[in-house]
Amino acid sequence: DAGITQSPRHKVTETGTPVTLRCHQTENHRYMYWYRQDPGHGLRLIHYSYGVKDTDKGEVSDGYSVSRSKTEDFLLTLESATSSQTSVYFCAISPGLAGGPGGELFFGEGSRLTVL
Amino acid sequence: QKEVEQNSGPLSVPEGAIASLNCTYSDRGSQSFFWYRQYSGKSPELIMSIYSNGDKEDGRFTAQLNKASQYVSLLIRDSQPSDSATYLCAPGSQGNLIFGKGTKLSVKP
Repeated sequence: DAGITQSPRHKVTETGTPVTLRCHQTENHRYMYWYRQDPGHGLRLIHYSYGVKDTDKGEVSDGYSVSRSKTEDFLLTLESATSSQTSVYFCAISPGLAGGPGGELFFGEGSRLTVL
Repeated sequence: QKEVEQNSGPLSVPEGAIASLNCTYSDRGSQSFFWYRQYSGKSPELIMSIYSNGDKEDGRFTAQLNKASQYVSLLIRDSQPSDSATYLCAPGSQGNLIFGKGTKLSVKP
């Protein structure tokens, strides 16, 4: 299994509070991604990173920010959580750019976030 | 809007049968195609990737790609109860994979 660790695995918070999810990898892969998975929507890309301090927005980036200060860590922050951000969040890594050669994604175990 | 269509299922097959999972996609620029398996409450797990037209076999799994028809499929031979899961199709290009909503497969003993 790819060495990907997400924390926390489960979190319940209240509307308006900040939340940070952490993804840690031991594979030294260049590319890291944050997805959310919701019933009826499938997996949707929030943000991705193509290197230290290099990030870009995905399909559903509003209300989220990310940071990558080290190759191994990719943080997802909800500045002010809303109930619509209740979801399961998956971190993924890949050695190459997703969709291209070597662009297979390997997923972490997921973080279940509930915003009350 | 890039779309990936999969029959949501559930697709029910008896143990030992062939399960056929289908996927169509809208983005003609898709360059790579992936199948993921996701057990309930777990994360997606890569089972197959295919990049060129035709068939690709890996054990009991065969992926088939037809770019002209914008169609990709996954065949699972000798289906086992442990194959019961949701299968996600994911065409990829330009730095992203677009995931289908998945087909739920149930293999009955």
